[in-house]
Amino acid sequence: AQSVTQLGSHVSVSEGALVLLRCNYSSSVPPYLFWYVQYPNQGLQLLLKYTSAATLVKGINGFEAEFKKSETSFHLTKPSAHMSDAAEYFCAVSETSNFGNEKLTFGTGTRLTIIP
Amino acid sequence: DSGVTQTPKHLITATGQRVTLRCSPRSGDLSVYWYQQSLDQGLQFLIQYYNGEERAKGNILERFSAQQFPDLHSELNLSSLELGDSALYFCASSVHLTSGMRGEQFFGPGTRLTVL
Repeated sequence: AQSVTQLGSHVSVSEGALVLLRCNYSSSVPPYLFWYVQYPNQGLQLLLKYTSAATLVKGINGFEAEFKKSETSFHLTKPSAHMSDAAEYFCAVSETSNFGNEKLTFGTGTRLTIIP
Repeated sequence: DSGVTQTPKHLITATGQRVTLRCSPRSGDLSVYWYQQSLDQGLQFLIQYYNGEERAKGNILERFSAQQFPDLHSELNLSSLELGDSALYFCASSVHLTSGMRGEQFFGPGTRLTVL
């Protein structure tokens, strides 16, 4: 069974400061990992994904994440926060040992607030 | 715009009623997934269809059912509605499995269901 734990349901950072959103996963097979962002009253948008290639993954809007197998982590970072980054962020894991079954298991989400 | 469309955007109905949510996947995507997002349960996978066939089931209630039609659009049917069914229902689609693109799901804007 797969699962994801996001530490911190709410994170506040000042504009221009480092953003760090934490995600730890559990999976019985090598995982595929994702970060999605949800703006108010909108659907989920893919920020970046790890699919067993490079461990440092770069995504959209200046975000990146590093896959660390030894720590079972996939933390999301951005060097300098912008007001437009305020949103809810979800980490998700996909167990792809079964053909065609790519269901995503999501964490509980982290609401990011940017302080002007 | 993800290319995934969902109708209706909002739905208000009474307990005991039945509703149908509709999803059109991105052009060329064979897999459709349904997710439920609620305050108490978070984002949960309900069911997946692949090219018209049910492929995986998650925490979907027996009162809920889904199908994928030959033109690949999908419908989620919710019956004997209860107050607790009030939630945001997302549809997502993904491409046929190919190397490097596995597991990337594109989400629609969602249908917000309110049961009174």
